[in-house]
Amino acid sequence: GENVEQHPSTLSVQEGDSAVIKCTYSDSASNYFPWYKQELGKRPQLIIDIRSNVGEKKDQRIAVTLNKTAKHFSLHITETQPEDSAVYFCAASIEDYKLSFGAGTTVTVRA
Amino acid sequence: GAVVSQHPSRVICKSGTSVKIECRSLDFQATTMFWYRQFPKQSLMLMATSNEGSKATYEQGVEKDKFLINHASLTLSTLTVTSAHPEDSSFYICSARDGSSYGYTFGSGTRLTVV
Repeated sequence: GENVEQHPSTLSVQEGDSAVIKCTYSDSASNYFPWYKQELGKRPQLIIDIRSNVGEKKDQRIAVTLNKTAKHFSLHITETQPEDSAVYFCAASIEDYKLSFGAGTTVTVRA
Repeated sequence: GAVVSQHPSRVICKSGTSVKIECRSLDFQATTMFWYRQFPKQSLMLMATSNEGSKATYEQGVEKDKFLINHASLTLSTLTVTSAHPEDSSFYICSARDGSSYGYTFGSGTRLTVV
């Protein structure tokens, strides 16, 4: 099955700086790559996603890049704010099948 | 947007009893729902894929007789934790395909504590 690895496990950044989280996946057939933000005790919230026919996608301060050849994708958050502090998960799936999640990254934005 | 309602949000039960968790898609039909378990400070681990009108598909290592899944309609899937033990204490969360291109919507989760 699909194996998604995520790094780093924790990330502390100064407010205003950028944060980058990287994920790799094992199944070359995966074609959907969402990123979720989860606050303590809450449901994961989709923040951005990318499909395999696109190399990069941006939504305001958040961007995701995908390298299908290398089988890795990354989340970039610019101008970080304290409210960006949360756990972020990457995931991968094939078509409309099950999501495989990375281990998560705890992001702390220092004021 | 698509909404998935999950109940209860919190439940405390005694060891040996059973607990049922419901997951409903409120404004769309979900032929497939997914059940995850999340331990503190860990990732979401898929337990099973629930298919409307057929048997659920369980992930390796998940006991199908302990975690009973029923998906009797296009808007409702239930997870029953039978003969619960303290080690079953966890955050259980469902998700469903919302019909958009590869979109998944998550329920609000259920915090189960077995005492």
